Amino acid sequence: DVKVTQSSRYLVKRTGEKVFLECVQDMDHENMFWYRQDPGLGLRLIYFSYDVKMKEKGDIPEGYSVSREKKERFSLILESASTNQTSMYLCASTRTPNEKLFFGSGTQLSVL
Amino acid sequence: SQQGEEDPQALSIQEGENATMNCSYKTSINNLQWYRQNSGRGLVHLILIRSNEREKHSGRLRVTLDTSKKSSSLLITASRAADTASYFCATEPGNAGNMLTFGGGTRLMVKP
Repeated sequence: DVKVTQSSRYLVKRTGEKVFLECVQDMDHENMFWYRQDPGLGLRLIYFSYDVKMKEKGDIPEGYSVSREKKERFSLILESASTNQTSMYLCASTRTPNEKLFFGSGTQLSVL
Repeated sequence: SQQGEEDPQALSIQEGENATMNCSYKTSINNLQWYRQNSGRGLVHLILIRSNEREKHSGRLRVTLDTSKKSSSLLITASRAADTASYFCATEPGNAGNMLTFGGGTRLMVKP
């Protein structure tokens, strides 16, 4: 069965810390995505990648960076965490862009 | 801003009743998808309907698309307590290169 795995379900960090969120998929998908989800705002796209070492900014990239060194792994990096980055972070992957995304279980990040 | 907007924001029904959720969007689309999210988890893809399709079925799910009204509806028939979740529509804009955009979701509660 298809699987997207996010490294942590819950994470608590302090303001100013560097935070790494890891996502691994086992479906050999080219396309991977990072979203954040906040109540009432739906899912907002942070970054996506359509190939190894390729990345594109989404709607809200400020304060974030990403890394895709291997096809199966897409990392989201918060260079200096701030309280307004407290959110649920969702990773997704798909073979065909904009069709049937497979999501991980999410990481609830709290920045104190 | 969000491309898709779900209505209602919350819906509470009894087991066995039908649940109808609506999604409206602003610009032309290539496809529209519905996803389900159980509390605190990732999203699961339910159904995709293309712009040239008007209706699609999958088990107890029925999705309609009216491109002239820029709207879609998701009908869950004979609902079960296990259908309790949030439901999101996502649209792929017709302009090439634009990514999938999610609405704010409808929270469905099915009471046993």
